[in-house]
Amino acid sequence: DIVMTQTPLSSPVTLGQPASISCRSSQSLVHSDGNTYLSWLQQRPGQPPRLLIYKISNRFSGVPDRFSGSGAGTDFTLEISRVEAEDVGVYYCMQATQSPHTFGQGTKVEI
Amino acid sequence: EVQLEESGGGLVQPGGSLRLSCAASGFTFNSHWMHWVRQAPGKGLVWVSGIHSDGRSTTYADSVKGRFTISRDNARNTLYLQMNSLRAEDTAVYHCVRGTITWKGIDFWGQGTLVTVSS
Repeated sequence: DIVMTQTPLSSPVTLGQPASISCRSSQSLVHSDGNTYLSWLQQRPGQPPRLLIYKISNRFSGVPDRFSGSGAGTDFTLEISRVEAEDVGVYYCMQATQSPHTFGQGTKVEI
Repeated sequence: EVQLEESGGGLVQPGGSLRLSCAASGFTFNSHWMHWVRQAPGKGLVWVSGIHSDGRSTTYADSVKGRFTISRDNARNTLYLQMNSLRAEDTAVYHCVRGTITWKGIDFWGQGTLVTVSS
């Protein structure tokens, strides 16, 4: 199975300031079809996970543009340009390039 | 609006069985892969099982293979997870999750149903 490793595991942030989370995979996430199936999920306290970003950098429907994703191969980053109070929660990267889908350990973002 | 509503969780003794259900609405159920993903209390996300849109192909995590069975009823827009020989380490919130069509991945999640395996 592909192992997903996130850093940091905890990220104290300041409202209005940027935040960044890294995710590294144990092998390349480039699929044989040429796409890279790396997603980012947000889980607010007491809520189910919510898809934010798919295929590295595509924002899902309804996701604010302060969220952006980048990266390639085995190294990926989620950035929040200006943190808002509603962004508090745990963020996960997830790969779907190879079965089974695997997730990072999660990064807790707190004010 | 996509809705996924799980039910069937509860307290069960080790070695026991439980069947989870997920009622889907707001989309064409028989066009999507569907998955179960679990989250132990205070822990991260772990994919458990997936099933093709036509129900003919299924996949399982090694930790549940031979004990869990995923199935679906496309006429009733319902996903199931039959869990046998339950262990304490199966204790988790089980989420029903929709697979995507135009790219490989998952998008919408249900609230989840809590399964507690304890004597």
